[in-house]
Amino acid sequence: NAGVTQTPKFRILKIGQSMTLQCTQDMNHNYMYWYRQDPGMGLKLIYYSVGAGITDKGEVPNGYNVSRSTTEDFPLRLELAAPSQTSVYFCASRGTPDTQYFGPGTRLTVL
Amino acid sequence: DQQVKQNSPSLSVQEGRISILNCDYTNSMFDYFLWYKKYPAEGPTFLISISSIKDKNEDGRFTVFLNKSAKHLSLHIVPSQPGDSAVYFCAASERGGGADGLTFGKGTHLIIQP
Repeated sequence: NAGVTQTPKFRILKIGQSMTLQCTQDMNHNYMYWYRQDPGMGLKLIYYSVGAGITDKGEVPNGYNVSRSTTEDFPLRLELAAPSQTSVYFCASRGTPDTQYFGPGTRLTVL
Repeated sequence: DQQVKQNSPSLSVQEGRISILNCDYTNSMFDYFLWYKKYPAEGPTFLISISSIKDKNEDGRFTVFLNKSAKHLSLHIVPSQPGDSAVYFCAASERGGGADGLTFGKGTHLIIQP
């Protein structure tokens, strides 16, 4: 089992560019999450999904979009990158009993 | 407004001694609490959890205590080892709330001195 995998590990974007952060889990978990972590802060929830075709906003969804076409994949889309989106992004899936398992993260810099 | 607070940004403990990391919360709807450990350039790793129906949960060197009346929990590591040096995050959720994600504290950087 690879658990939760994320690509890319690092990325530098220019203001206004777009990109998709990929997340895949092989644990057959229904629940998946995207968080961001800014320096010196805890993780904040961006979006989550309770199963294929169902997504919902978290605490900080502005500037992001998600889709969930399969149980395994939960990509996060940035449409118009802004410097405020410079952060480390973590994807997680939830097993039982309600423990979330995290991927290694994507470090994004917007210049 | 921070719902989960870790008021100590860092903590230094000698190897072999007890490490105690503290966490306070304000949301009385939280009913499940977790501790995660994070090394640089890696994702958080689950350490231990506790349900609000318990006041203690133990797993090897790690014990989590929950004081619901004080809205306080703590993580005890005994004995502390060099590999325990990492950032520790306290997190909470409302299990009855369905699929909501975790609410995290800002983390405590634990440094184990040889």
